[in-house]
Amino acid sequence: DARVTQTPRDKVTEMGQEVTMRCQPILGHNTVFWYRQTMMQGLELLAYFRNRAPLDDSGMPKDRFSAEMPDATLATLKIQPSEPRDSAVYFCASALRGETQYFGPGTRLLVL
Amino acid sequence: AQTVTQSQPEMSVQEAETVTLSCTYDTSESDYYLFWYKQPPSRQMILVIRQEAYKQQNATENRFSVNFQKAAKSFSLKISDSQLGDAAMYFCAYLPGANNLFFGTGTRLTVIP
Repeated sequence: DARVTQTPRDKVTEMGQEVTMRCQPILGHNTVFWYRQTMMQGLELLAYFRNRAPLDDSGMPKDRFSAEMPDATLATLKIQPSEPRDSAVYFCASALRGETQYFGPGTRLLVL
Repeated sequence: AQTVTQSQPEMSVQEAETVTLSCTYDTSESDYYLFWYKQPPSRQMILVIRQEAYKQQNATENRFSVNFQKAAKSFSLKISDSQLGDAAMYFCAYLPGANNLFFGTGTRLTVIP
């Protein structure tokens, strides 16, 4: 049963702390996306990779967010330092050749 | 600008009845994909159905079907024989080429027993 996995499922942290979210794309998928979902902004793209190379990270606050793909089976999204306005659900999605995207269960982040 | 509009923030349907969710989009592209995703309270984003713009035939997946009107840039979702498990937020999404999805604001569907 191929699916995208994300850890942690939920994260509560204090302002200023580093947060790392991990994503394992579906095996064989070469495109990985990070989205953020908030009540105010809805679903918005933060960054995406193809064949592990970053193609677009224009949706990410550059000063505090970073996204990487250390290998084909792992994508990470880091926030340092975290702020209360970063509280949201963060989704990872993967796709083969960038067409149909399959989403992970999301990481719900609460920054106090 | 590439935008997706879902004009119905909330909809309700009686169990076993049919409901149609509306979606319009704005694009200057000729090749693209359209999707409906379902997000139940578990927050998982679940793919419901997909439509390629170059196909004239409307996509169908069991009780779910779409009415794709390319000239009108309209992409509605019809749910037949509604079930309690269909209750969720439904997002329409547009994909130009092989890049990122553009989402609508969602329609919350309530199924009344």
